[in-house]
Amino acid sequence: QVQLQESGPGLVKPSQTLSLTCTVSGGSINSGGYYSWSWIRQPPGKGLEWIGYIYYSGSTYYNPSLKSRLTVSVDTSKNQFSLKLTSVTAADTAVYYCARALVVPQGYFDYWGQGTLVTVSS
Amino acid sequence: EIVLTQSPGTLSLSPGERATLSCRASQSVSSSYLAWYQQKLGQAPRLLIYGASSRATGIPDRFSGSGSGTDFTLTISRLEPEDFAVYYCQHYGTGFTFGPGTKVDIK
Repeated sequence: QVQLQESGPGLVKPSQTLSLTCTVSGGSINSGGYYSWSWIRQPPGKGLEWIGYIYYSGSTYYNPSLKSRLTVSVDTSKNQFSLKLTSVTAADTAVYYCARALVVPQGYFDYWGQGTLVTVSS
Repeated sequence: EIVLTQSPGTLSLSPGERATLSCRASQSVSSSYLAWYQQKLGQAPRLLIYGASSRATGIPDRFSGSGSGTDFTLTISRLEPEDFAVYYCQHYGTGFTFGPGTKVDIK
């Protein structure tokens, strides 16, 4: 059973960088190109927004609306992937989820972390 | 970029009733890449349906998905108390897109 766990600061000041890590257990990030590893967020009381994904190889694809501020990276030796979002504002306050997606032959998220609330405030 | 629209925004029903939720894509999409999720308050989303009509592991058969092209439907044949939640459709292209969600609440 694959499990994902987000970790990182719960409070970030405006204009600073939001950094989160997702640790994967019960399975390997290095499990081939059928899986991508994503970050998804959900502002309080609102819907889901996909942020970006990375493959085990390090290839990435980002939501165009966040691309200029976003970096997603992977550390296969630690079975982790990470998110960095720069120049944050209150609009970046959200529950942040990490998730695994099967992308061949379908595309869907089969495992999710429990989510972590990140508040942007001074 | 594909935009997903869900209707209605809120569906008020009683336990035992049938729920029909709609997801419309802004252009034709492959059924292989259309999924549905259930989200309860304070929890991560749970995969219900993938490939437009295939139930995920452990999902009761009262949940079914159908559709093709631009119009997709999630049906809950008889609502159980635990089914009152928010439901999202999702598409995978080069990236992922979620619909805005349909809340199913108790009438």
